[in-house]
Amino acid sequence: DAGVIQSPRHEVTEMGQEVTLRCKPISGHDYLFWYRQTMMRGLELLIYFNNNVPIDDSGMPEDRFSAKMPNASFSTLKIQPSEPRDSAVYFCASSSNRRTGGYTFGSGTRLTVV
Amino acid sequence: KNEVEQSPQNLTAQEGEFITINCSYSVGISALHWLQQHPGGGIVSLFMLSSGKKKHGRLIATINIQEKHSSLHITASHPRDSAVYICAVFSNSGYALNFGKGTSLLVTP
Repeated sequence: DAGVIQSPRHEVTEMGQEVTLRCKPISGHDYLFWYRQTMMRGLELLIYFNNNVPIDDSGMPEDRFSAKMPNASFSTLKIQPSEPRDSAVYFCASSSNRRTGGYTFGSGTRLTVV
Repeated sequence: KNEVEQSPQNLTAQEGEFITINCSYSVGISALHWLQQHPGGGIVSLFMLSSGKKKHGRLIATINIQEKHSSLHITASHPRDSAVYICAVFSNSGYALNFGKGTSLLVTP
């Protein structure tokens, strides 16, 4: 398995533009997590899915953020409109069991909003 | 107060030294992860523990559930071990990992 695949690896965009981050989880993993990492706050959970259904999105900072998982092999995190404070590394992770299973992280997307 | 506390925050060691990184948590947990992140790199899960001790190469992780404490040890440290090491827990009532702030390790030749 190629692991959790995220794209793009790097994204630079202007304030106000729409940004879409993509994630392909490991086949057979039924949990998918989106995390954000910043110097100030470390790693924070944004949202997670179980069997393609969003379970808790309370970590999503504001309405500008949305996430979807249309099928078991694909998820997106969208920011519209983007702001400079959204600059961070966004990680996707998947797991076969959220409590006792192994966790696999993607390589992350480094987002810079100028 | 963060539920997961790590110490030290920063650590510099000479090649060959034995290294210990500590993690304390304040809630009941079902599992604890030790993660490694190289500068500008992705996050790799080193260990998942729910009890006892695990060993992989030069890395050893231990957990004491009663004391709510875990340690990550690196024997015969090497410059390639330089990275940020992050402790993360699944609480009994939580649904995703709760992360410590990380320990930045630099091993010099």
